[in-house]
Amino acid sequence: NAGVTQTPKFQVLKTGQSMTLQCAQDMNHEYMSWYRQDPGMGLRLIHYSVGAGITDQGEVPNGYNVSRSTTEDFPLRLLSAAPSQTSVYFCASSYSVRGRGEKLFFGSGTQLSVL
Amino acid sequence: GNSVTQMEGPVTLSEEAFLTINCTYTATGYPSLFWYVQYPGEGLQLLLKATKADDKGSNKGFEATYRKETTSFHLEKGSVQVSDSAVYFCALSSSGGTSYGKLTFGQGTILTVHP
Repeated sequence: NAGVTQTPKFQVLKTGQSMTLQCAQDMNHEYMSWYRQDPGMGLRLIHYSVGAGITDQGEVPNGYNVSRSTTEDFPLRLLSAAPSQTSVYFCASSYSVRGRGEKLFFGSGTQLSVL
Repeated sequence: GNSVTQMEGPVTLSEEAFLTINCTYTATGYPSLFWYVQYPGEGLQLLLKATKADDKGSNKGFEATYRKETTSFHLEKGSVQVSDSAVYFCALSSSGGTSYGKLTFGQGTILTVHP
């Protein structure tokens, strides 16, 4: 059982380069989200999706784009990488449990360095 | 907006010691509260949750009680093991229905347990 799969695990970019972080889930979950983890700041929400074709911004969306063409996939695009985007990125999926307190399933993360 | 504040770390304990990690929150209404754990090199996993005031979440010997009067959700364990060494995150989701995968996280507390 794969759960939430993120690729790549590690990536080094130069300033100005673009790239896509991949995220796929095989649990047929409605909701998917992207977080970044920075030391001393916990996890902060970048973008989220409530279903195929529907996305919205989170707390720190600038410099990132997302799309959700299928239930399974939710890629995160960095348009023009900046050193401030050096971080660990986590994708998560979840589903509604009677509308309260749903459990998030996280991928193992992508460690990104922008030089 | 919502916010979560955790006690500063890192926390270093000897095996079989008592653990408390403090967590307080600011939110409107009646949020759901969570503790997630991150083992080295892995994504976050749900440890326990509570969805209404005075609920106690428990799992693997860890406990936390939803205290609305003090807006707190402190994590406790009576006797820690070396295998409990990890980063612990307190989190909340919005009140009144599903959070659509959107959580507000605290900054995380690093726990190291020595034999």
